[in-house]
Amino acid sequence: ELKVEQNPLFLSMQEGKNYTIYCNYSTTSDRLYWYRQDPGKSLESLFVLLSNGAVKQEGRLMASLDTKARLSTLHITAAVHDLSATYFCAVDPWAPVGSGNTGKLIFGQGTTLQVKP
Amino acid sequence: EAQVTQNPRYLITVTGKKLTVTCSQNMNHEYMSWYRQDPGLGLRQIYYSMNVEVTDKGDVPEGYKVSRKEKRNFPLILESPSPNQTSLYFCASSLSRSYNSPLHFGNGTRLTVT
Repeated sequence: ELKVEQNPLFLSMQEGKNYTIYCNYSTTSDRLYWYRQDPGKSLESLFVLLSNGAVKQEGRLMASLDTKARLSTLHITAAVHDLSATYFCAVDPWAPVGSGNTGKLIFGQGTTLQVKP
Repeated sequence: EAQVTQNPRYLITVTGKKLTVTCSQNMNHEYMSWYRQDPGLGLRQIYYSMNVEVTDKGDVPEGYKVSRKEKRNFPLILESPSPNQTSLYFCASSLSRSYNSPLHFGNGTRLTVT
């Protein structure tokens, strides 16, 4: 059974600090997604990582994927209050060769980030 | 405006009373999926559809049904709701799983079953 585990689950940090959220998964995959959810809102896509070593950056957020370690990281640089939200990683499990993509997408538990002024 | 529309946003019902949550997308997406979100558990996939008339179970399909008769609609049916189905439900779509495109989510339906 594919498991996707994020840590920490809750993170309170001061503005201006750096921190990293980790997403570990238990099966072979080279397709990983990061989403953001604001309180009471829906989810929006942040990053799509599609190969080993993939790195994507948007503003103060940078995501990377290491498929050998089955690990993705979401790094926050010089946090600001607007980044306060819950962040989810999601993994598309590897389908058998020749069978195309599966329809499954497995989410982590989410990491709630609180950035204090 | 490109969007995924779920209705209703809030629903309170009683055990055993059949209900349907509708989901519609206007982006001509092939892939659609339903998730439930519960505290501490993240999002868990209920059912998904790779295209019209093609549906399959996710990780928590028990107590739910879906259908995909048209490309734009993917309703979620609870034939006999129970209190353990109280949750926040999200419908999502993407262009196609073949393109690894990210999901577009609806605004969610908060369901309470008493």
